[in-house]
Amino acid sequence: EPEVTQTPSHQVTQMGQEVILRCVPISNHLYFYWYRQILGQKVEFLVSFYNNEISEKSEIFDDQFSVERPDGSNFTLKIRSTKLEDSAMYFCASTNGGVGEKLFFGSGTQLSVL
Amino acid sequence: EDKVVQSPLSLVVHEGDTVTLNCSYEVTNFRSLLWYKQEKKAPTFLFMLTSSGIEKKSGRLSSILDKKELFSILNITATQTGDSAVYLCAVFNFGNEKLTFGTGTRLTIIP
Repeated sequence: EPEVTQTPSHQVTQMGQEVILRCVPISNHLYFYWYRQILGQKVEFLVSFYNNEISEKSEIFDDQFSVERPDGSNFTLKIRSTKLEDSAMYFCASTNGGVGEKLFFGSGTQLSVL
Repeated sequence: EDKVVQSPLSLVVHEGDTVTLNCSYEVTNFRSLLWYKQEKKAPTFLFMLTSSGIEKKSGRLSSILDKKELFSILNITATQTGDSAVYLCAVFNFGNEKLTFGTGTRLTIIP
């Protein structure tokens, strides 16, 4: 069964450093998302991306965050200057069905900011 | 603000028992409700519900939605140790593109 893949599985970085989290969505999917889950808390929406542009973003997704689909397969989340509170599990998700349809999630990148 | 509340927060049962997990929601313009199972990392899709009263079933798992009372239940019969996981409920509304998640129910099955 096709799946969403994410790399790396773990990322440790120093506060203030830039990180790029990478995702390869399922190949025929058109809608892409980033969610995050701080330890012990709910899964939270960050951003949705369709047709090569952001279609919606949450309050968490401030100017330090950006997303890109640099080629036909990768979807990346960049955090420009990481803060301690950015430490979380970051999930990429995709769907072909549009809004309201089931999302397929990747296995996540655990980001630890020291 | 959209809100999803799951109960109980955690549940410990013996293998073979039947469990019912609850999810209530408040959203401005409901579109769909989704159940996911989260074992170690990735939430894996279980069910999507859009209509009231229609049971979705997959093996020992089933789920139903009540749009009048704004809740859904997830039933697992004849539980097995492999059912141990966090079960997440999430809703979409028509006003935006984000899934709003509940805190999850941590289910532990004792052999």
